[in-house]
Amino acid sequence: DADVTQTPRNRITKTGKRIMLECSQTKGHDRMYWYRQDPGLGLRLIYYSFDVKDINKGEISDGYSVSRQAQAKFSLSLESAIPNQTALYFCATEGGSISGANVLTFGAGSRLTVL
Amino acid sequence: GQNIDQPTEMTATEGAIVQINCTYQTSGFNGLFWYQQHAGEAPTFLSYNVLDGLEEKGRFSSFLSRSKGYSYLLLKELQMKDSASYLCAVRDSNYQLIWGAGTKLIIKP
Repeated sequence: DADVTQTPRNRITKTGKRIMLECSQTKGHDRMYWYRQDPGLGLRLIYYSFDVKDINKGEISDGYSVSRQAQAKFSLSLESAIPNQTALYFCATEGGSISGANVLTFGAGSRLTVL
Repeated sequence: GQNIDQPTEMTATEGAIVQINCTYQTSGFNGLFWYQQHAGEAPTFLSYNVLDGLEEKGRFSSFLSRSKGYSYLLLKELQMKDSASYLCAVRDSNYQLIWGAGTKLIIKP
């Protein structure tokens, strides 16, 4: 099983629909992140959480909300999807020092298309 | 503002060497990361530099010059499986990761 699991992997929806992307991890890390990736742009941070009681906005949080249900679970919601939210979404956890750095472990991604 | 620059695309030949550059302007510096991302897949960690100099890990090496705001990733003995995007990211003074747009590396036989 993957260390960081995202569901769904692919989703096509219509404008105005509510969408939830789920993320669960088995790495035991406290820090979790949601990013979106668009062609030609770097990964952009939507929300992040350093523990169950901690939620922080990233650079592009408008139109999104998150819930940290447990240490292992961090879900991203689009309350009313719009076409410019069409993107590849990644969940990531942070921890486990490698070469002296806390590195990110990413899920496989959730490709969302909003028509 | 904060900025990470890397070439959009590079092409190299199987068996050759390629250097992918990354320049950055950030609010503070707490380390630079390189990740590899195959098409449609998740990024995976390659290397980390926090002090000036070269870090070598098998066929991959990464160099950092903090005074110049510059890093490069060096890939030797290129293999077809190295065809991927390479993402440069810098951790700023607020511990946030700032990401470059990535360099798509195409390997030709």
